[in-house]
Amino acid sequence: QVQLVQSGAEVKKPGASVKVSCKTSGYTFIDYHMHWVRQAPGQGLEWMGWMQAKSGVTKYAQNFQGRVTITNAPSDTTVYMELTSLRSDDTAVYYCARDPPDGYGLFDYWGQGTLVTVSS
Amino acid sequence: EIVLTQSPGTLSLSPGERATLSCRASQSVNSRSLAWYQQKPGQAPRLLIYGVSSRATGIPDRFSGSGSGTDFTLTISRLEPEDFAVYYCQQFGSSLWTFGQGTKVEIK
Repeated sequence: QVQLVQSGAEVKKPGASVKVSCKTSGYTFIDYHMHWVRQAPGQGLEWMGWMQAKSGVTKYAQNFQGRVTITNAPSDTTVYMELTSLRSDDTAVYYCARDPPDGYGLFDYWGQGTLVTVSS
Repeated sequence: EIVLTQSPGTLSLSPGERATLSCRASQSVNSRSLAWYQQKPGQAPRLLIYGVSSRATGIPDRFSGSGSGTDFTLTISRLEPEDFAVYYCQQFGSSLWTFGQGTKVEIK
């Protein structure tokens, strides 16, 4: 069965960086696009960026340009999201999500979420 | 960037009632690219509807989606106890995705 398992919670100081992993299984990794979405406490969903299947091309939301990097390790079927220059308002649950290459742009499977707390 | 505005912010209804949730886009949305998600506390979102009106695998037929252009609707025909949650619409265009701010469906 399809699974997306994320790394554990992180506590970071302002100005630091965090790298969250998303280990996938149960499907052909390179055939699916991967996205990252975050959710601040009590708030809605915010799309951060994606990595296209096969090509590995990435695109990021304007709000995160220059601070976020999505990478992958196909041999390990894992995708990563690194966020730099952390601020207190980056405190959120970060999700990875799978996007089938069918043109609908839907997110059919999600990771369980990783809480990143930014605090001095 | 297309902005999605959901209304109402909160919907207070009783089990068995009909829920109608609205999602309005700041500009026209491709009909393939409008989806709806359900999220319960402490859980990741779950895909309900994609391509405006197609139900995802395993989603009961009391959930339906409709609309076109800039106005879209998620309807829950008869609310079950497990349907009380937050619902988000989502769209993508030009390789950028956005979500609405969510509608909370709460028990009256």
